Amino acid sequence: GESVGLHLPTLSVQEGDNSIINCAYSNSASDYFIWYKQESGKGPQFIIDIRSNMDKRQGQRVTVLLNKTVKHLSLQIAATQPGDSAVYFCAESGTSYGKLTFGQGTILTVHP
Amino acid sequence: SAVISQKPSRDICQRGTSLTIQCQVDSQVTMMFWYRQQPGQSLTLIATANQGSEATYESGFVIDKFPISRPNLTFSTLTVSNMSPEDSSIYLCSVDWGAGETQYFGPGTRLLVL
Repeated sequence: GESVGLHLPTLSVQEGDNSIINCAYSNSASDYFIWYKQESGKGPQFIIDIRSNMDKRQGQRVTVLLNKTVKHLSLQIAATQPGDSAVYFCAESGTSYGKLTFGQGTILTVHP
Repeated sequence: SAVISQKPSRDICQRGTSLTIQCQVDSQVTMMFWYRQQPGQSLTLIATANQGSEATYESGFVIDKFPISRPNLTFSTLTVSNMSPEDSSIYLCSVDWGAGETQYFGPGTRLLVL
């Protein structure tokens, strides 16, 4: 589930490397998961989603993996670019329609 | 997706005053939500804005502090009442088109209370 704190986890990578951002959730009833990207001064931007009947979904340069056994979600970004630098949030939705529970977020910094 | 706008984009307010934030969508949506994002933190759902009826508030949020209106399928307002410095946050609206659909977010309103 979500936890909030003053210091978000950080991930620093070199341009061109692959990035993996992880998220743990606690609600076993959650059946829909979303990754958002939030750039400074902007609202969260949808990246990719996955439903609980899948364990992998691919988009353009991004892949989401879902492991329901250990309640773990990951976002893989291929060939990371400086424009990928942002805070990344996972969010889960379960039995309460429309209610998204957000993870704490990870700051991704991509160095040229 | 849709174009979601919020007004104001930012404001600086004095404690004890109230601020009303507007959220406008360029198409009719089923659901509208309001979130708070405190500095350096994640997003927390304040309430679901229901058209034609009272909003549904999450634990820790009350109507007297955060009155919400939703007069139609494209517009909602959130008021932050009797503000204190602890209300300094980003306030975000989001929308979706039905059960199991993705939520899309507006740009946020950055509020600083002095």
